[in-house]
Amino acid sequence: AQTVTQSQPEMSVQEAETVTLSCTYDTSESDYYLFWYKQPPSRQMILVIRQEAYKQQNATENRFSVNFQKAAKSFSLKISDSQLGDAAMYFCVLTQGGSEKLVFGKGTKLTVNP
Amino acid sequence: NAGVMQNPRHLVRRRGQEARLRCSPMKGHSHVYWYRQLPEEGLKFMVYLQKENIIDESGMPKERFSAEFPKEGPSILRIQQVVRGDSAAYFCASSPRGLAARPEAFFGQGTRLTVV
Repeated sequence: AQTVTQSQPEMSVQEAETVTLSCTYDTSESDYYLFWYKQPPSRQMILVIRQEAYKQQNATENRFSVNFQKAAKSFSLKISDSQLGDAAMYFCVLTQGGSEKLVFGKGTKLTVNP
Repeated sequence: NAGVMQNPRHLVRRRGQEARLRCSPMKGHSHVYWYRQLPEEGLKFMVYLQKENIIDESGMPKERFSAEFPKEGPSILRIQQVVRGDSAAYFCASSPRGLAARPEAFFGQGTRLTVV
């Protein structure tokens, strides 16, 4: 069975500062993908960043980057130069290669303070 | 290219009534997924459909819940005889070729169902 654990229910950061959201996962498969999704108050689920397990290089999308530690089964999200618009629930998500299902963590609520 | 469209955004039903939630996938997407989000929880998989076929309904409650994706028209998630525990946000996602081919899902804004 696959599981995703986000141990930080809430986090806060000052505008322009950097924050890291934690995620650990468990899967017995070697072929899998990890994602971070953002859910602002509008409820729209927005893909922030994606990481293929077979890639050693950490994914980066502008101010968002991940620290993918495969052996430790850890997948943290770093948000640099935080902006007010970054305030949202952030979900860590796992899918196995060949699967049609996404497995979500419980989420981390990020507050950005001006 | 419009995104995944779900309606209604909000739905209030009395206990015992039926709820029908609609999802129009992105243009060209023939794979549709329904997820449920309970308060303070992540999304949980319910069902995966392709046009006219239910492929995987392992996450659907055995009773009162059904889903369809007809040849024409939106996908429908139907909940009969709703109970208070059905109150949740229901999300639809679509994919052009299925997640197994390319892990990329596009989500709608969800329908928040409240049972009173």
